[in-house]
Amino acid sequence: DGGITQSPKYLFRKEGQNVTLSCEQNLNHDAMYWYRQDPGQGLRLIYYSQIVNDFQKGDIAEGYSVSREKKESFPLTVTSAQKNPTAFYLCASSIAAGVSETQYFGPGTRLLVL
Amino acid sequence: SQQGEEDPQALSIQEGENATMNCSYKTSINNLQWYRQNSGRGLVHLILIRSNEREKHSGRLRVTLDTSKKSSSLLITASRAADTASYFCATQGGSEKLVFGKGTKLTVNP
Repeated sequence: DGGITQSPKYLFRKEGQNVTLSCEQNLNHDAMYWYRQDPGQGLRLIYYSQIVNDFQKGDIAEGYSVSREKKESFPLTVTSAQKNPTAFYLCASSIAAGVSETQYFGPGTRLLVL
Repeated sequence: SQQGEEDPQALSIQEGENATMNCSYKTSINNLQWYRQNSGRGLVHLILIRSNEREKHSGRLRVTLDTSKKSSSLLITASRAADTASYFCATQGGSEKLVFGKGTKLTVNP
């Protein structure tokens, strides 16, 4: 099946701990995105990548880091510097990072702080 | 910053009725997209309308765009219980970034 997978579905973070959320796609898409969604809110862009080995900050990048070493993978690390990490995290991809491109979303990872 | 703003925030209707959701935005756009999100799941793309288009249809969905009023509407006809979800509009200007609104939560009662 083609699509985007995110793991784990639920993730628990302790104070001062870094955690990494996985995002993999087999759609052969160039562009990938990470969004954060808080309850009753829309999506806010954390980071995006237009091509392998390149990525840009979105609107709320502080406390997060990413890498894009392979086309199909775009992991997100939530660092201890992110003081309010509890949220639903969504990964998406598009064929290219251009205008009028549809984004395809994964099922999401819910991050909770212990 | 969030550009799209949906109205109403929540909508409850009976099966078979039509559901209309509105989206307003502030700056010029290249296109506007509507997405659907079932509770606790990822988003699914529904329809994209470009700034030079006024209306698009896809199955039971009808989207209109009025660039002079900076607004769009999504109409779901003959709604079903399975249409229960949150619906988001997302605008795209000159860059590749999508800017999402806060969504309309639609409940279709059987």
